[in-house]
Amino acid sequence: GAVVSQHPSRVICKSGTSVKIECRSLDFQATTMFWYRQFPKQSLMLMATSNEGSKATYEQGVEKDKFLINHASLTLSTLTVTSAHPEDSSFYICSATGTGWYEQYFGPGTRLTVT
Amino acid sequence: EDQVTQSPEALRLQEGESSSLNCSYTVSGLRGLFWYRQDPGKGPEFLFTLYSAGEEKEKERLKATLTKKESFLHITAPKPEDSATYLCALLAKTSGSRLTFGEGTQLTVNP
Repeated sequence: GAVVSQHPSRVICKSGTSVKIECRSLDFQATTMFWYRQFPKQSLMLMATSNEGSKATYEQGVEKDKFLINHASLTLSTLTVTSAHPEDSSFYICSATGTGWYEQYFGPGTRLTVT
Repeated sequence: EDQVTQSPEALRLQEGESSSLNCSYTVSGLRGLFWYRQDPGKGPEFLFTLYSAGEEKEKERLKATLTKKESFLHITAPKPEDSATYLCALLAKTSGSRLTFGEGTQLTVNP
């Protein structure tokens, strides 16, 4: 199966600082990558969709200036949470799909805690 | 509007006690229906894709089926390691690559 990695798996940062999360497709070219947020005991909430070399498309209600997404190559997408606040604490998960695929393959997730 | 409803919310089984999880859906045009398994603190793990009514897929103790209105995930003789949350998601023909997820069924298999 297709493998997607995320780094870091856990991060703690102070309020007001920025944190970057990396998502990599290890054995396929990810033409489209997705970023989700998941609250405890809830399903996944799509934040944005990005295609390689293009600007990300954000879901309604997601602040694009706060959650910066870069999809610079066919194997790497990054999510930067700028000026993080405690309410940004959550589990962030990326996924990726390849050309002609319908399935999304998910990374292991990143637990962000803002103190 | 595309919708996915999973039931039950939670299910407790004894080891070896077979059962089924339900995923009911409404969609204007289905491109695919997906089942994922999610363990606590981890990302979802892909299990199956179903494309059309009547299709079935199997993997070890799991079997997924699809009708025009719902999908079932049948678990035969489950083991404690099958404990997880099972997520159903659909991809509509009109939604590009955007998945619509259900809320999941939390399965616990007791030894």
